[in-house]
Amino acid sequence: QKEVEQNSGPLSVPEGAIASLNCTYSDRGSQSFFWYRQYSGKSPELIMSIYSNGDKEDGRFTAQLNKASQYVSLLIRDSQPSDSATYLCAVKLGTSKIIFGSGTRLSIRP
Amino acid sequence: DTGVSQNPRHKITKRGQNVTFRCDPISEHNRLYWYRQTLGQGPEFLTYFQNEAQLEKSRLLSDRFSAERPKGSFSTLEIQRTEQGDSAMYLCASRNEETQYFGPGTRLLVL
Repeated sequence: QKEVEQNSGPLSVPEGAIASLNCTYSDRGSQSFFWYRQYSGKSPELIMSIYSNGDKEDGRFTAQLNKASQYVSLLIRDSQPSDSATYLCAVKLGTSKIIFGSGTRLSIRP
Repeated sequence: DTGVSQNPRHKITKRGQNVTFRCDPISEHNRLYWYRQTLGQGPEFLTYFQNEAQLEKSRLLSDRFSAERPKGSFSTLEIQRTEQGDSAMYLCASRNEETQYFGPGTRLLVL
């Protein structure tokens, strides 16, 4: 079992709709979770971090965490063409090591 | 520029040659990571430093790979006797308490 799992996509969403990205992780002791966006040919950039169960909102982005189910998700409201990218879920194991999923490719169609 | 920097940005080498990459982290960050990323995959953890101490190294990392951070500032990643399978983007990241920032990466092509 991979430590962090994501559906590779591509996920195609119409402009203006809600995009929902999901991630599961294997280490039940993990406490810190991150979503990164990566455009083709560029390095990852942090969008959201979440540490507690529930929802965390930042502009059009909402991260959701359910530690009991070992599940973290990212919602993007009012999707824009500029949101088309690969979204990486990352989990901090212990105090230091940060592990990434393989990413979900998101395509926003006009 | 106060972000993470990496040099060179691109490297083409012949199989069997040694290559060395440099990473300069954000100055106040004492944690530094190296990752490798191939097309269609997420960043794969290679190694981690806190200050000058290398605290963890991936079991997937062969003995041909070595990393240093001699003064707890910049870091180098060396690959000896490169193989075609080493072709990838090598990413460096530094971290403060929780937020990890990536450099632009070094793209390696082994011919």
